[in-house]
Amino acid sequence: QVQLQESGPGLVKPSQTLSLTCTVSGASITSGNYYWSWLRQSAGKGLEWIGRMHITGTIDYNPSVRRRVTISVDTSKNQFSLNVRSVIAADTGVYYCARDDGRGWNVFEYWGQGTLVTVSS
Amino acid sequence: EIVLTQSPGTLSLSPGERATLSCRASQSIGSSYVAWYQQKVGQAPRLLIYGVSSRATGIPQRFSGSGSGTDFTLTISRLEPEDFAVYYCQYSERSPLFTFGQGTNLDI
Repeated sequence: QVQLQESGPGLVKPSQTLSLTCTVSGASITSGNYYWSWLRQSAGKGLEWIGRMHITGTIDYNPSVRRRVTISVDTSKNQFSLNVRSVIAADTGVYYCARDDGRGWNVFEYWGQGTLVTVSS
Repeated sequence: EIVLTQSPGTLSLSPGERATLSCRASQSIGSSYVAWYQQKVGQAPRLLIYGVSSRATGIPQRFSGSGSGTDFTLTISRLEPEDFAVYYCQYSERSPLFTFGQGTNLDI
């Protein structure tokens, strides 16, 4: 059974960088034709897809956050990460990592439990 | 960019009743990339329906999806107590961009 677990600080100061890691168990990030995504959920914007990566090196970002976001992978640890630069209060929310179905339906089949990040001084 | 509008915002029903949730797109969606998720308090969303009408693994038959063009529907034929949650529709365009509706709160 595929499991994903987000980790990182729960509080980030405005203008700093938010860094989160998603640890995957029960599957290898390097196996299969899967996209690994980051999403967030806030009271103001609801559910928002941030970006995704594929082990082939393809990385896609939501245009609304593209200039401030970087997704990277550490295959040795079976992890992928999210960095959001120059955070503002609107970046506050629950951040999820997720994996798609691998069959091209563009849906999120497996999710982490989510981690709350608050941007505040 | 396509915007998904869900209605109603809140739907109050009782166990055993039929629930019909709507998701309307701001323009015609010429593909089958519409999905539905269920989210309970404190949990991540759970995939229910993909490709407009296909049930995800382990999803009970009382959940069904339908629709085309701009109007899509999630139907729960007979509500069970565990079905009371928030439901989201999702669409994926050709370019990598995933859009969610604002959610319908199915309330007991």
